[in-house]
Amino acid sequence: AQTVTQSQPEMSVQEAETVTLSCTYDTSESDYYLFWYKQPPSRQMILVIRQEAYKQQNATENRFSVNFQKAAKSFSLKISDSQLGDAAMYFCAYRSAMEYGNKLVFGAGTILRVKS
Amino acid sequence: EAQVTQNPRYLITVTGKKLTVTCSQNMNHEYMSWYRQDPGLGLRQIYYSMNVEVTDKGDVPEGYKVSRKEKRNFPLILESPSPNQTSLYFCASSLAGGWIDTQYFGPGTRLTVL
Repeated sequence: AQTVTQSQPEMSVQEAETVTLSCTYDTSESDYYLFWYKQPPSRQMILVIRQEAYKQQNATENRFSVNFQKAAKSFSLKISDSQLGDAAMYFCAYRSAMEYGNKLVFGAGTILRVKS
Repeated sequence: EAQVTQNPRYLITVTGKKLTVTCSQNMNHEYMSWYRQDPGLGLRQIYYSMNVEVTDKGDVPEGYKVSRKEKRNFPLILESPSPNQTSLYFCASSLAGGWIDTQYFGPGTRLTVL
């Protein structure tokens, strides 16, 4: 079974600075997808960014980018120019390309605090 | 507006009293799932459905039932709730199971079982 590990329970960043959230995963598969979700205090799950394992190029969405290291099974999220609205719980998630059910396997989450 | 709705948003109940959490989507999605979120564990899939009358177990199905009689609805049933089912529950849907299909999450249901 696949597992996702987020080793940082909490992180803090100063407004306008850059922060990186870590995620590692364990799988024997070669074809899969990785995601970062944001959960603000409203509890809504918001997709931030996604990466296909067969793509070497790191995904980027505005101020959010990932560092995908397939061999190391690492998938970190970098947030540039942090804003107060970025404060939330962030979840890293894995989805197999082989299994039915569209199941996302989530990490435990990292709480990001943004200081003004 | 495309959305996934869940009801109720908050529920406090007692052990053994049957309850249903409803989930509905207006996007004509085929795939629907239920997840529970617990501190330190992230979200875990309870059940999923690939279409009407097609459902299967996820990672933590014990104590739960689901049904999919209509494409838009996917209720979660707790026949005899226990305190260890106190959790935050999310329904999610996607057009199909392909990688490009984003999963849309509902707003969550906070359940407390006393």
